[in-house]
Amino acid sequence: GAGVSQTPSNKVTEKGKYVELRCDPISGHTALYWYRQSLGQGPEFLIYFQGTGAADDSGLPNDRFFAVRPEGSVSTLKIQRTERGDSAVYLCASSPIGSGGNEQFFGPGTRLTVL
Amino acid sequence: TQLLEQSPQFLSIQEGENLTVYCNSSSVFSSLQWYRQEPGEGPVLLVTVVTGGEVKKLKRLTFQFGDARKDSSLHITAAQPGDTGLYLCAGEDTGGFKTIFGAGTRLFVKA
Repeated sequence: GAGVSQTPSNKVTEKGKYVELRCDPISGHTALYWYRQSLGQGPEFLIYFQGTGAADDSGLPNDRFFAVRPEGSVSTLKIQRTERGDSAVYLCASSPIGSGGNEQFFGPGTRLTVL
Repeated sequence: TQLLEQSPQFLSIQEGENLTVYCNSSSVFSSLQWYRQEPGEGPVLLVTVVTGGEVKKLKRLTFQFGDARKDSSLHITAAQPGDTGLYLCAGEDTGGFKTIFGAGTRLFVKA
């Protein structure tokens, strides 16, 4: 079956612009995670959805970042007034159950570059 | 917030050599996971260890969870160029639902 997909694969934007990053999880997976990975680092947790609700958004760095999952499937990560420091690979992962050491299936990521 | 420290950060070895990479924390984790990530792709789960002292083997890879569930190691026997990649350990933060990743060990195996 299809894995987690993310679009676009690459996004180049200018400082101050608004961007949306999309994640299509594996069908039937109720848990969805967003991470940010900077060069030479491991993934940094941003937000976790269980179904339609954000169960833990403690990793969002500030109020410029927002994520939604209105129907419990596709999720969109939204970044307002982008800054150069937002440049990173944004990874999405889904899991059939959720927290508790269950396997997370990752997408290939969206590479965001803010000029 | 719990932290996971991985060492070494970078390792370059010849094909056929053995190696061990480490994942350490001052905090207890209910479980730890090891992932492998290749350039341009997301991490892929290798193993989950749950019980203190647990040892799991996956072909030439041996994973161990510390008795106190604060640390883990990954040992690779007779490394091959196909083992090249970024090895990440991860654990679930006891304060919520977030998964914490270490910074990773970047392994390069030369033919």
